[in-house]
Parts: sequence; C-alpha cells; structure tokens
Amino acid sequence: QVQLQESGPGLVKPSETLSLTCTVSGDSISSYYWNWIRQPPGKGLEWIGYIYYSGSTNYNPSLKSRVTISIDTSKNQFSLKLSSVTAADTAVYYCARSIVATMGLDYWGQGTLVTVSS
Amino acid sequence: SYEVTQPPSVSVSPGQTATITCSGDKLGDKYACWYQQKPGQSPVVVIYQDTKRPSGIPERFSGSNSGNTATLTISGTQAMDEADYYCQAWASSTVVFGGGTKLTVL
Repeated sequence: QVQLQESGPGLVKPSETLSLTCTVSGDSISSYYWNWIRQPPGKGLEWIGYIYYSGSTNYNPSLKSRVTISIDTSKNQFSLKLSSVTAADTAVYYCARSIVATMGLDYWGQGTLVTVSS
Repeated sequence: SYEVTQPPSVSVSPGQTATITCSGDKLGDKYACWYQQKPGQSPVVVIYQDTKRPSGIPERFSGSNSGNTATLTISGTQAMDEADYYCQAWASSTVVFGGGTKLTVL
C-alpha cells in the first residue's frame, strides 16, 4: 500500500521560506510524477508543481518564481520550498503521486496545515 | 493559462442523478479527472481519463468529456456522496483544477 506523509513546520513567518518534505512508503520514488498541491482554508485545490523521478520539474506559472521542488531518491522523499511567503500562502499542503499525467493523482498524503504569521 | 470552470453548488435528492459539469476551451481534446473530497479528508480520484473508474469506486460514478465540457454523473445518489468535487485537466504539461462544486444531497 502506497503511503505519502508530509512533514515540516506548521508556522512560517512572512517573507521567509516554507519548506516541506513528503516521505513515500510502499513504493519506490524512482518512478512516476510527484506533486505538491495546496488548499487555503475553505477554498479549492491549487496545483503547485511536480517533479518527475528523473529530476525534471514543472510548476504552476502563478507560483513559478517562488517554487522549488527537489527529490532525494536515497531517502524516498521529495521536497517543496516556497520563498517569500505571505498570509496568502496559508493553506493545507498535500503531496500526491501520479503514475501518468493523464491518470490523475492516485495517492495523496493526509495534508499538513502551514500558517504564515508573525 | 488554461482554466476550467465548475458550478459552485449542485443539489440532488437521494436516489436521483447528480450531474456536475466542468467547462474549458476544447476540454474534450484533453483528459479530465474528477476528485471527491469530504470535510477534513484528502481528495480521492473517482474518475480518470474521462471515463475510467479506479478500483473501489462505485459503479454509480461515471464520466464523459466532449467539446468544451466534461461531466461527472452520479446515478442513484446516496447521502454518503455529499462532498466537494473537483475536476482536473492536464494542459501544457501542467495540472489545472476547477474551483470545485459542493454537492448537497437533500
């Protein structure tokens, strides 16, 4: 059974960098697409970006200038960095897997709430 | 950038058919997926590649996609189907979500 688990600080100060890690178990990260998605409280889903197991990435154009996604195959983890955060970046952050882009996101983590506040 | 649009809310009586639409320019030329999200839970894919159901998803969930509109249909809607539903398309190598539709079963 594939499981994904997000981890990282639940509180980040404005202008700082948000950093999260997703640990994958039950599957090798050396395949497929690995995504980050967020959901502000009471609002809809927003795709942040993905990293392919080979290391190639693609990001949401609206966030591209602030986002970096990386992968560590030795630890079966991938990570998100979002710089210069503001209160608008407060959200539940999810990691998720996609086998093939057109097949959707088939496994999701439970999500972690990150609040941006001083 | 590509956008897909959903109605904010849909209401249905138990046992009836619920229809949720997702509109986007030439959406029928792309693949659409649908996710169900219940309060406090992570989304679950209920339809992928327009019409396919993952294992474990009830047969009452079906999908279609043609022209500018993808449609999620829930036949014989049950109270447990009350949730938010999101459509998702793959466009220019990016993932695009619709704004979500709240399905109320009353």
